[in-house]
Amino acid sequence: RKEVEQDPGPFNVPEGATVAFNCTYSNSASQSFFWYRQDCRKEPKLLMSVYSSGNEDGRFTAQLNRASQYISLLIRDSKLSDSATYLCVVNIRGSQGNLIFGKGTKLSVKP
Amino acid sequence: NAGVTQTPKFRILKIGQSMTLQCTQDMNHNYMYWYRQDPGMGLKLIYYSVGAGITDKGEVPNGYNVSRSTTEDFPLRLELAAPSQTSVYFCASSYSGLAGGSTYEQYFGPGTRLTVT
Repeated sequence: RKEVEQDPGPFNVPEGATVAFNCTYSNSASQSFFWYRQDCRKEPKLLMSVYSSGNEDGRFTAQLNRASQYISLLIRDSKLSDSATYLCVVNIRGSQGNLIFGKGTKLSVKP
Repeated sequence: NAGVTQTPKFRILKIGQSMTLQCTQDMNHNYMYWYRQDPGMGLKLIYYSVGAGITDKGEVPNGYNVSRSTTEDFPLRLELAAPSQTSVYFCASSYSGLAGGSTYEQYFGPGTRLTVT
């Protein structure tokens, strides 16, 4: 079983739509969680950290369910500029800061 | 702050040639990392460093070497380039405090696109 699994997509949605991405992780020692965004042919950029209580940043909401080992990202009112690949990322306790990256979910927002 | 910078942006190597990919960060981060990303695939960790003078292997270290003589710089050396090393290489850095305060958030450079033919 892969350590971090994501639906590869692509998700094709119209502008203004709400879209949700899901991610599961296999290691119960996972302690920190992130969503990164990667534009085509660019480097990954941190979108947001994911906290146990859930957190929101503008149109973006991240949720964590430790019992189910599940992370989600909700994007409301999608913009054309949201088109990118979204990477689910996990840090495992004792791994010296190493991050485990999912392969990403591709989002394409159409006019 | 420039963040994490990488040079060169692009490079074409012939089989058997060697080169060094440069990476510098100005955020005073103690941890640095090298990843490769093949087309349509996820990031794979090549090597990482938790401080000057300390390096360790990641998931795919074969064919590569690293050194960390300063906090700022973490060059990646390719010896005897092979077509299998055609990839995009990303350097990243993060901060980890001994007494806590670790965020584990990694910040990436813009990448080096390497083709070996």
